[in-house]
Amino acid sequence: DAGVIQSPRHEVTEMGQEVTLRCKPISGHNSLFWYRQTMMRGLELLIYFNNNVPIDDSGMPEDRFSAKMPNASFSTLKIQPSEPRDSAVYFCASRQWTGDNSPLHFGNGTRLTVT
Amino acid sequence: KNQVEQSPQSLIILEGKNCTLQCNYTVSPFSNLRWYKQDTGRGPVSLTIMTFSENTKSNRRYTATLDADTKQSSLHITASQLSDSASYICVVSTRDFGNEKLTFGTGTRLTIIP
Repeated sequence: DAGVIQSPRHEVTEMGQEVTLRCKPISGHNSLFWYRQTMMRGLELLIYFNNNVPIDDSGMPEDRFSAKMPNASFSTLKIQPSEPRDSAVYFCASRQWTGDNSPLHFGNGTRLTVT
Repeated sequence: KNQVEQSPQSLIILEGKNCTLQCNYTVSPFSNLRWYKQDTGRGPVSLTIMTFSENTKSNRRYTATLDADTKQSSLHITASQLSDSASYICVVSTRDFGNEKLTFGTGTRLTIIP
């Protein structure tokens, strides 16, 4: 299996522009998570989906952030308009959740820089 | 408030030496605790999981411990290798009406020098 695939690996954009991050989870996994990682705050959960349905989006910073999962094999995280404080590494993770102690499988992240 | 504190924040040791990373948590009710290893430029990868009934678990040169009474866990690395250089993240799980909630520590940055 190729693992969780994220694109792009790096994104540099100017303040005010729209940014779209993409994620392809591991085939067969039914839960998908979006995290943001910074040096100061570590990994923070933004939103997660079970069976393509958003379950908890309380970590989404504000209305500028939105996430979709139109099918089991694809998800996007959009920031519009972007701001310099959004600069961070954004990780997507997936797992097969069956009520047990299954681990998260992370992608290699998208490093976002907003100037 | 559920919190996970890791120490030290960073650590530098010589190749071949041992080290111990600490994780203290206030998460309740406790479900499990997992250690992840994150190499530079990569996503975290699960190393081991500790459930309530487990005190010690070893995986090659890594040994994790859990004291559920004091709410502490440690990750001991024996005979360190250059490839052990990474961030180590402690994650504690709690269950709330069947939904799992994960609380992440901010990690320990370990550097092994030759």
